[in-house]
Amino acid sequence: NAGVMQNPRHLVRRRGQEARLRCSPMKGHSHVYWYRQLPEEGLKFMVYLQKENIIDESGMPKERFSAEFPKEGPSILRIQQVVRGDSAAYFCASSPSGTHEQYFGPGTRLTVT
Amino acid sequence: EDQVTQSPEALRLQEGESSSLNCSYTVSGLRGLFWYRQDPGKGPEFLFTLYSAGEEKEKERLKATLTKKESFLHITAPKPEDSATYLCAFSGSGGGADGLTFGKGTHLIIQP
Repeated sequence: NAGVMQNPRHLVRRRGQEARLRCSPMKGHSHVYWYRQLPEEGLKFMVYLQKENIIDESGMPKERFSAEFPKEGPSILRIQQVVRGDSAAYFCASSPSGTHEQYFGPGTRLTVT
Repeated sequence: EDQVTQSPEALRLQEGESSSLNCSYTVSGLRGLFWYRQDPGKGPEFLFTLYSAGEEKEKERLKATLTKKESFLHITAPKPEDSATYLCAFSGSGGGADGLTFGKGTHLIIQP
């Protein structure tokens, strides 16, 4: 029974490039959440999605960041024109419909050089 | 403003020495209080959900309790493999929909 899968696990980008992070939820889970963890800081909520819908993006920076969860395939967090401050661990979590228990993936560690 | 504070920031115990971790929260309409364990370089691992004051849940050497303002994670006779960062989070009915609000965690070290 596979858990939440994220890839890549590590991603290095130069300033100005684009970063694409992928998340496949647990089997049977239709709700996906993205969080960011900066060094020495707690996990911060970014966005909550269901298939083909963004439910809540209140934690998402207004510029350069976008997220989608298409009908088929993984959820994608996209960061355009990355800056050094985007360096962090990005975690995806999923939950079954109707509960609040969220199960996390292993994360993608983004380094911007 | 909804917020959560965990204490202590770090705790070092001897194997077998029981203790408690604290999570103080302020939220307008608690929907759930969650405890997670996070090992270095890994994602948070779900431990417990608590929904109402007075509720308690147990798993092996861990027990989580909830009041109207705090939650405690009690660790009984810990072992070195219990060393990790323990995270507290809540889901509230205010802004942020179903996103969890996390504390910064308690870094627990159990020495053999």
